[in-house]
Amino acid sequence: AQSVSQHNHHVILSEAASLELGCNYSYGGTVNLFWYVQYPGQHLQLLLKYFSGDPLVKGIKGFEAEFIKSKFSFNLRKPSVQWSDTAEYFCAVSSIKAAGNKLTFGGGTRVLVKP
Amino acid sequence: EPEVTQTPSHQVTQMGQEVILRCVPISNHLYFYWYRQILGQKVEFLVSFYNNEISEKSEIFDDQFSVERPDGSNFTLKIRSTKLEDSAMYFCASRGEWADTQYFGPGTRLTVL
Repeated sequence: AQSVSQHNHHVILSEAASLELGCNYSYGGTVNLFWYVQYPGQHLQLLLKYFSGDPLVKGIKGFEAEFIKSKFSFNLRKPSVQWSDTAEYFCAVSSIKAAGNKLTFGGGTRVLVKP
Repeated sequence: EPEVTQTPSHQVTQMGQEVILRCVPISNHLYFYWYRQILGQKVEFLVSFYNNEISEKSEIFDDQFSVERPDGSNFTLKIRSTKLEDSAMYFCASRGEWADTQYFGPGTRLTVL
């Protein structure tokens, strides 16, 4: 069975600091990888995704993530955060072989950016 | 930009009552999903639906749950006899046939008293 773990439950940092959120997954086959963000009071939105090709993927709002297959990791990074990046971030995987491509989520990381 | 919508935003019900949560997926999408998130826990997959039938369901999705696409636009989740532990945020999602990205609705917060 697939599982996803996110290393940090809460992260507090100041504006302009760099952000890195860890994500590890457990699955024996080929997966698609996602980072979703949920801003306060809003729905889950896709930040970025990895399906194949260049393991360094760039998403919206200056975020990027690196897929390291040997480590089963897909860490999210942003070099300089803004107050508006305050949100909850979810890593998710789906199996390319599963009939419905269900998403398996990590527990989420709440990020608070102090102005 | 098209988006997934859900109604109601908040539903309060008594234990044992039936509830129907409604979703309007993005119009040209063909795969539909329900997920839920109990307060403080992970977002969990419930069911996926394609071509008018369930393609996959989780252990959570027992006989108390059912899904339906009653017309060309709505996708519903019914809980026949709600339990206290069904209290959660329920998210609907949809995706296109050749895409792998699921788009989520804003969720319905279900409170079972």
